[in-house]
Amino acid sequence: DGGITQSPKYLFRKEGQNVTLSCEQNLNHDAMYWYRQDPGQGLRLIYYSQIVNDFQKGDIAEGYSVSREKKESFPLTVTSAQKNPTAFYLCASSVTVNTEAFFGQGTRLTVV
Amino acid sequence: DQQVKQNSPSLSVQEGRISILNCDYTNSMFDYFLWYKKYPAEGPTFLISISSIKDKNEDGRFTVFLNKSAKHLSLHIVPSQPGDSAVYFCAAKDSNYQLIWGAGTKLIIKP
Repeated sequence: DGGITQSPKYLFRKEGQNVTLSCEQNLNHDAMYWYRQDPGQGLRLIYYSQIVNDFQKGDIAEGYSVSREKKESFPLTVTSAQKNPTAFYLCASSVTVNTEAFFGQGTRLTVV
Repeated sequence: DQQVKQNSPSLSVQEGRISILNCDYTNSMFDYFLWYKKYPAEGPTFLISISSIKDKNEDGRFTVFLNKSAKHLSLHIVPSQPGDSAVYFCAAKDSNYQLIWGAGTKLIIKP
């Protein structure tokens, strides 16, 4: 089946620890994105990548890092520098940045 | 500074009636608009889109209307069904092809 897979669905971490969220797609999409959703707010863009080995900061990149070493993978690391890491994280991909994005099921990260 | 606004946090509609979800934007340079539907704890799914060169796009029960002079778009769902209960997000593409999202409207379809 083609799609976007985010894992795990739920993740708990202690404050001060870095954590990496996985995102894999087998849709052969060039563009990939990471969004964060907080209650009562729209999705906010953290990072996006238009092509392998390239990525750009979104609106709220501080405290996050990404890599795009393979077309199908776009992992997001939430570092200890992120002040409010507890949130619902969504990964998406699209054929290009100019086409509709398809989303994974999301990862709910809770930092205690 | 919210460039895309969905002013109704929630909307309740009787099953079988029309649901109308509204979205306003401030940036006249937006040239493409999308609606996504989201169930709890899941990723959004694409519903329908419209280019700024059109004023209407229809796909089955879903129709999106764009009023560029008012910087307003709306999503009509007719007839509304129980499975339509979800949060609906409006999004607009800016000149850098990034999506700017509204805060969402929770649609509740009453039986």
